[in-house]
Amino acid sequence: ELKVEQNPLFLSMQEGKNYTIYCNYSTTSDRLYWYRQDPGKSLESLFVLLSNGAVKQEGRLMASLDTKARLSTLHITAAVHDLSATYFCAGPANFGNEKLTFGTGTRLTIIP
Amino acid sequence: DVKVTQSSRYLVKRTGEKVFLECVQDMDHENMFWYRQDPGLGLRLIYFSYDVKMKEKGDIPEGYSVSREKKERFSLILESASTNQTSMYLCASSPNRGRAQQYFGPGTRLTVT
Repeated sequence: ELKVEQNPLFLSMQEGKNYTIYCNYSTTSDRLYWYRQDPGKSLESLFVLLSNGAVKQEGRLMASLDTKARLSTLHITAAVHDLSATYFCAGPANFGNEKLTFGTGTRLTIIP
Repeated sequence: DVKVTQSSRYLVKRTGEKVFLECVQDMDHENMFWYRQDPGLGLRLIYFSYDVKMKEKGDIPEGYSVSREKKERFSLILESASTNQTSMYLCASSPNRGRAQQYFGPGTRLTVT
């Protein structure tokens, strides 16, 4: 069954800086998801990556998927305070399965 | 827009009580899921259902049961609540068209005293 490892677990960054969150997974996967969670709130879908080399961008966030390296990245460009949240990546527990395995999350804090 | 609703945002129950958490989705999704979320442990799957009256155990089913009598509704039952079941419970749903994302409800923060 898929194992998902995110790093870093905690990230404190200054406004205006760039950074990358990494999501490594253990077995072949045909897709990868990124979610955002604000404190006390539920999970909101950010990106769905469905193929090797897939890249998706929304505002200051860009996600990519490398299925050969079993790696997805979430890149933050010129961070702003509004991006402070916990970010989760998730992949299918088994190939083609509807069950998802989630990483433990990266808590991102943007400091003015 | 997909809407997943949960019956309570906050719930306080006593040890030994039977607890029902309800989840309803309005998008005719086949799949529904119950997770619990604890600090440092991420989301862990308790049970999921891919059709009415069908259910499968997730990673941590002990102490829980589920019911899916109608397609839109998925209930999580704690037969005899214990303090170690204090947690945030999240419901999600997804369509059965393969590789679809899961849509999450607002969550229920359950405290068992």
